[in-house]
Amino acid sequence: DGGITQSPKYLFRKEGQNVTLSCEQNLNHDAMYWYRQDPGQGLRLIYYSQIVNDFQKGDIAEGYSVSREKKESFPLTVTSAQKNPTAFYLCASSIGTGFEAFFGQGTRLTVV
Amino acid sequence: GIQVEQSPPDLILQEGANSTLRCNFSDSVNNLQWFHQNPWGQLINLFYIPSGTKQNGRLSATTVATERYSLLYISSSQTTDSGVYFCAVFYGQNFVFGPGTRLSVLP
Repeated sequence: DGGITQSPKYLFRKEGQNVTLSCEQNLNHDAMYWYRQDPGQGLRLIYYSQIVNDFQKGDIAEGYSVSREKKESFPLTVTSAQKNPTAFYLCASSIGTGFEAFFGQGTRLTVV
Repeated sequence: GIQVEQSPPDLILQEGANSTLRCNFSDSVNNLQWFHQNPWGQLINLFYIPSGTKQNGRLSATTVATERYSLLYISSSQTTDSGVYFCAVFYGQNFVFGPGTRLSVLP
């Protein structure tokens, strides 16, 4: 099946720990994105990548890091520097910049 | 940056009713998408509609780019239409989302 796979679906983290969220796509899309959603809110952009080995900060990049070593993979690391990491994280991809975006099922991260 | 507004913020309908959701944006955009977020959080693509009108079953959408707005029409609503509807505009290098319209369809 073609699509975007995020894992895990639920993730619990202790304060002070780094955690990495996985996003994989087999759509052969060049562009990939990470968004954060807080309860009752819209989506805010964390990072985006238009091509392999390149990525740019979004509106709320502080406390997060990414890599784009392979076209199909765009993992997001939530570091201990992120003060309020509990949120719903959504990954998306599109064939190119500005084209239709498709989303994964999301990862709910809870800091305990 | 660009401002994206959606109205109404909340909408409660009886099953079978029709509704119109609106998305206004403050600057020219290259593209626009409508999404439905289901109760499990997944974003479902409804329309990719930078301009013009599209229809898909009971749903249709119209974007008037020159006037900076888009409308999503839902006809004969069903309980499964409940959820949050987002519009997202492509501006600069990425998508900017509106705050959403929360729709509740009652049986």
